Amino acid sequence: AQSVSQHNHHVILSEAASLELGCNYSYGGTVNLFWYVQYPGQHLQLLLKYFSGDPLVKGIKGFEAEFIKSKFSFNLRKPSVQWSDTAEYFCAVNQAGTALIFGKGTTLSVSS
Amino acid sequence: DADVTQTPRNRITKTGKRIMLECSQTKGHDRMYWYRQDPGLGLRLIYYSFDVKDINKGEISDGYSVSRQAQAKFSLSLESAIPNQTALYFCATSEGAYGYTFGSGTRLTVV
Repeated sequence: AQSVSQHNHHVILSEAASLELGCNYSYGGTVNLFWYVQYPGQHLQLLLKYFSGDPLVKGIKGFEAEFIKSKFSFNLRKPSVQWSDTAEYFCAVNQAGTALIFGKGTTLSVSS
Repeated sequence: DADVTQTPRNRITKTGKRIMLECSQTKGHDRMYWYRQDPGLGLRLIYYSFDVKDINKGEISDGYSVSRQAQAKFSLSLESAIPNQTALYFCATSEGAYGYTFGSGTRLTVV
């Protein structure tokens, strides 16, 4: 079955630290890849997405992600986190004709 | 008005009761989805519909049913609610495979 794996359940960082959240998927063929963020008490917001082209994708709020096809990975990165980045982060994948499937999420806690 | 509206926002119901969660969208998209979110489990797909005549089961459809009344409306029903259906439910719509818009969620508690 198609699946999405997020390696870290809970990440704790200090402000200004660098962030990398792992995401792997098990789909074969062409995929569309997404990272969403959910701030406490709020609904999902799209951080960035990859459909084709440059595998390094830049999103909102200084986030970026790199698609590595050979590793079936789409890791999220940010060079320097802020307290306001405290949230839950979800990787999601779909293909043409299929619904979006989410990973289990990573909770990021940033201390000031 | 929000692009995707879910009603009710919060609901407490008793075990065995039938409950319907409603979703409407103003994006004009054909595709609509229902997900549930549980702590530590992320969002799991319950049902999805790619047009008015199309209904598909997702990862966890048991205990749920849906109705696509119109392009803009997609309802989720729990025929006989049970406590482990306590969760945050999200409706979404998309234009093809790409532009997803999510509702604000319905927090359902089954006691």
